[in-house]
Amino acid sequence: QSALTQPASVSGSPGQSITISCTGTNSDIANYNYVSWYQRHPGKAPQLIIYDVNNRPSGVSNRFSGSKSGNTASLTISGLQAEDEADYYCSSYSSFSPLVFGGGTKVTVL
Amino acid sequence: EVQLVESGGGLIQPGGSLRLSCAVSGFIVSDNYMTWFRQAPGKGLEWVSVIYAGGNIYYADSVMGRFTISRDKSKNTLYLQMNSLRAEDTAMYYCARGRIGGRHDFWGQGTLVTVSS
Repeated sequence: QSALTQPASVSGSPGQSITISCTGTNSDIANYNYVSWYQRHPGKAPQLIIYDVNNRPSGVSNRFSGSKSGNTASLTISGLQAEDEADYYCSSYSSFSPLVFGGGTKVTVL
Repeated sequence: EVQLVESGGGLIQPGGSLRLSCAVSGFIVSDNYMTWFRQAPGKGLEWVSVIYAGGNIYYADSVMGRFTISRDKSKNTLYLQMNSLRAEDTAMYYCARGRIGGRHDFWGQGTLVTVSS
C-alpha cells in the first residue's frame, strides 16, 4: 500500500482538462511544499514534470500544472493530447522517510 | 549531456546476490543525492535506497539488512549490492539524481532483476 493515495485511472477526451489527485498526511504533503509529479510511458524511465508543487522543469509543456490544498496535491493536464496517455506518479518529501510515493494513475485519452 | 546507465540486472535464484551499477556522466555522483528506485510488475514506483552527498544513507524497510548502496568517486558510479534476494524483489531498478525537496530530475533507463527458481 502506497503512502500517498492516487486514483487508479483517469480518462478524458482530446482537448479536455483532467485532474489527478494525490492525498497524503500532515507528515508529508500538508507540511511541505515538496510535491513532485512524474510521467511514465510504458518501457520508459519516469520523467519529472512538476516539482515543488507547481514548478515545471525546462522543456515540460505548460499544459501540465500542479497545485496543493491541505494534504492533497493535484496535477492538471489541460488540452489533453494522445501523447499524454501514460502513468503519473506523485511524490512528496516526508517527515519519516526520504520520500513517499503514490501508487500511480493511468491516464487514458479516449 | 547527463546520462545514467544501469547494468547488472538479470535472472537470479532466490537467496542469491546481484550488484547493480549506475554509471553517470554529466555530473559528479558524490556531489549529489542519488536514489535507487524499483517498479515491480503491476505495481507502482518505490524508492529502495538513498545516499546523500554527505554520506547519509537510507533504506526502505523492505530491503533493510539485505541491500547496500555505495558509490565510487573514481568511476563516478553508484552501486546497489543486493543479497538474500526474494521473489518480491523482482522489478525494474532505476537510479536517479535527487535534488532539494526530493525531486528526481535525471533517471536511467533501468535494469531488470528477476528472482526466480
